Amino acid sequence: GQQVMQIPQYQHVQEGEDFTTYCNSSTTLSNIQWYKQRPGGHPVFLIQLVKSGEVKKQKRLTFQFGEAKKNSSLHITATQTTDVGTYFCAGGDMRFGAGTRLTVKP
Amino acid sequence: NAGVTQTPKFRVLKTGQSMTLLCAQDMNHEYMYWYRQDPGMGLRLIHYSVGEGTTAKGEVPDGYNVSRLKKQNFLLGLESAAPSQTSVYFCASSRAPETQYFGPGTRLLVL
Repeated sequence: GQQVMQIPQYQHVQEGEDFTTYCNSSTTLSNIQWYKQRPGGHPVFLIQLVKSGEVKKQKRLTFQFGEAKKNSSLHITATQTTDVGTYFCAGGDMRFGAGTRLTVKP
Repeated sequence: NAGVTQTPKFRVLKTGQSMTLLCAQDMNHEYMYWYRQDPGMGLRLIHYSVGEGTTAKGEVPDGYNVSRLKKQNFLLGLESAAPSQTSVYFCASSRAPETQYFGPGTRLLVL
C-alpha cells in the first residue's frame, strides 16, 4: 500500500533560522495536505496542493508539490516560537506521515 | 459553530471492558474519520464514513467498530479493550476527501 515517509523526525532550531520538512510517497499522490499540531492540541489544516510542481505561500511558510507528485516540502523562513509543533503531511487516501516535530529556541 | 466535538476527553479502562467514543460535527460534512495517534507514528486511520449509514475500514481497523446512524455523528466502539489500544483518538470531518477538521481528541488508557 501507499507509504508516506516524512523527514526529519525532529528538528530543533534557533529562533530566526529556517526550517524544512520533507514528505515522500511510494506512489503518485492525487493531492497532498499539510497540517500543524501544537503540543497537546489537535491537527489543524494548513494547505492542500493538487497540481504537479505547485508552490503555495502563506506568509513565512512555503509549500511545494513535486513534479512527479510523489514528494512535497514545507519550508518556514525565519522561524518564530509560535511555529513550535509537529507538522504532518497527508496523502490523497488519508494516509499521514509520522510528522516532523519542530522546537524553536528563543 | 462548535465544529467537531468529541466525548469523553479522557477515559481509563480495564482490559476487556468496552466503551464508545462519540464524535459530533455541526458543519454538515459528508465524510467523517477516526484516527489514533501514537508517539512517533503520526495519525493512523481506523475507520471512516463517506455518508450517513456508510462505513469503511482504514489502515488499522482491528478491535474497533463504528456506526454512522446520523450524518452529524460518528461512533467508535471498542468491544473488548486491550492495552495496545491505549492511545489518543481523533475524530475528523470533511466536506470532501481533502481538508479535514479535527476534534480535540480523546485520551484512552487501557490498564
